[in-house]
Amino acid sequence: AQKVTQAQTEISVVEKEDVTLDCVYETRDTTYYLFWYKQPPSGELVFLIRRNSFDEQNEISGRYSWNFQKSTSSFNFTITASQVVDSAVYFCALSGDSGAGSYQLTFGKGTKLSVIP
Amino acid sequence: GAVVSQHPSWVICKSGTSVKIECRSLDFQATTMFWYRQFPKQSLMLMATSNEGSKATYEQGVEKDKFLINHASLTLSTLTVTSAHPEDSSFYICSALTPYLNTEAFFGQGTRLTVV
Repeated sequence: AQKVTQAQTEISVVEKEDVTLDCVYETRDTTYYLFWYKQPPSGELVFLIRRNSFDEQNEISGRYSWNFQKSTSSFNFTITASQVVDSAVYFCALSGDSGAGSYQLTFGKGTKLSVIP
Repeated sequence: GAVVSQHPSWVICKSGTSVKIECRSLDFQATTMFWYRQFPKQSLMLMATSNEGSKATYEQGVEKDKFLINHASLTLSTLTVTSAHPEDSSFYICSALTPYLNTEAFFGQGTRLTVV
């Protein structure tokens, strides 16, 4: 069974501060994919990143960066110089071969980030 | 990226009526679509996996007769909430797998259902 744990339920930071959102996962699959999604108040899911299990290189995209550590089964997400527009719920998700080749997504419970001006 | 359109984006219905939600892949054929449900301030929970031309696979605890899923074509899956009750009020969101990049699912905009 797959599991994604986002231990931080809510985080508040002051604008321009850096913030890291934690994600720990469990899976028995040797091939799997990790995702981060942003869900603003409007509800739609905004795709941020996908990382496969064979690629442990960290990635940076503007103010966003991701740290994938297979040894600790973690895929943490850092926002530098946070802005009010970053306020949203962030979900970490995991997919792997469910046996039917359908790659279902298992979501964490989400972390609500509030950036205070 | 691939586009998935979900309709309607919100709906209010009376208890006892049925509501149909559509999920369309606009620029690709989706052999597999997923339906999720999200209660306020909670995570997305997978309800069912829908494969074109076959019966949907429901997750444990999801009533098949309550949530009817039809995936009659490669670009359309529908979720019908039958005899809706207030406890069915929730945010429903679909996603579709592309056949070319079947490790990534693209999400619709979601449907906010309110049953009064």
